[in-house]
Amino acid sequence: DAGVTQSPTHLIKTRGQQVTLRCSPKSGHDTVSWYQQALGQGPQFIFQYYEEEERQRGNFPDRFSGHQFPNYSSELNVNALLLGDSALYLCASSLTATNEKLFFGSGTQLSVL
Amino acid sequence: LAKTTQPISMDSYEGQEVNITCSHNNIATNDYITWYQQFPSQGPRFIIQGYKTKVTNEVASLFIPADRKSSTLSLPRVSLSDTAVYYCLVGDSGGYQKVTFGIGTKLQVIP
Repeated sequence: DAGVTQSPTHLIKTRGQQVTLRCSPKSGHDTVSWYQQALGQGPQFIFQYYEEEERQRGNFPDRFSGHQFPNYSSELNVNALLLGDSALYLCASSLTATNEKLFFGSGTQLSVL
Repeated sequence: LAKTTQPISMDSYEGQEVNITCSHNNIATNDYITWYQQFPSQGPRFIIQGYKTKVTNEVASLFIPADRKSSTLSLPRVSLSDTAVYYCLVGDSGGYQKVTFGIGTKLQVIP
C-alpha cells in the first residue's frame, strides 16, 4: 500500500516563473492538505482540498492555488515565483470522515533563483 | 485553535528516557493532542495522539494531566535514530489539519 507520493522531489526555478507540484494521497484517503516549510521552521498550512474544492486556507496569497482531481490526487500551483517561495512543500492526506491522523509525503524541495 | 509552547531544543544520551513537555493553556473541550516526528528532508510522521490520561503505543507514551493544559511525550531509551524535531499539535478531530505547526523541539541524541 503506497503512502503519500509527491513529484518532483526537487525543482529549481527562477523568479517570476510558475511551478506545479503534484501529490497522490494514501490509498483510501479523500482529503489533501498542502504545507510550506522554510528552513528551520515548522510546516505552514497553505490549503486543504476535499471533494475537489478548497475547504480551508492559510495565510498565503492568491499566487498559491490548487486543484483536486476525481481520484483525490492534487496539484499545487505557484505563480510569479519569489525568492522567498524557496522551501520544502509537503502534501498530507487524511480521511475527513474519521478522526484520522495526517500522513505526509516526503515533499518537493523548491529552489527559486 | 489552541496555541502550544514547547522547548526549542533538548539533548539526551543514548539509552535515556526523554520527556518533552508541551503547554496548551487554551485547549478546548473537543481538542485532541497529537505529536509528530520529523527527520530532515522528510515529512512529519505521526507518533501518538491522546485526549486525556495516558496513551501508550509501541514507540512512545503520552501523559495528559486532568486539566489538559499540558502534555508530555515520553520516549523510552532513545537511540541516535530518534534525533529529530518533535511537534505538539492541539486541535479538533478534523479541524486540526489546518493548524500551523510551531517550530517544534529539536531533540539531539548523543552517543
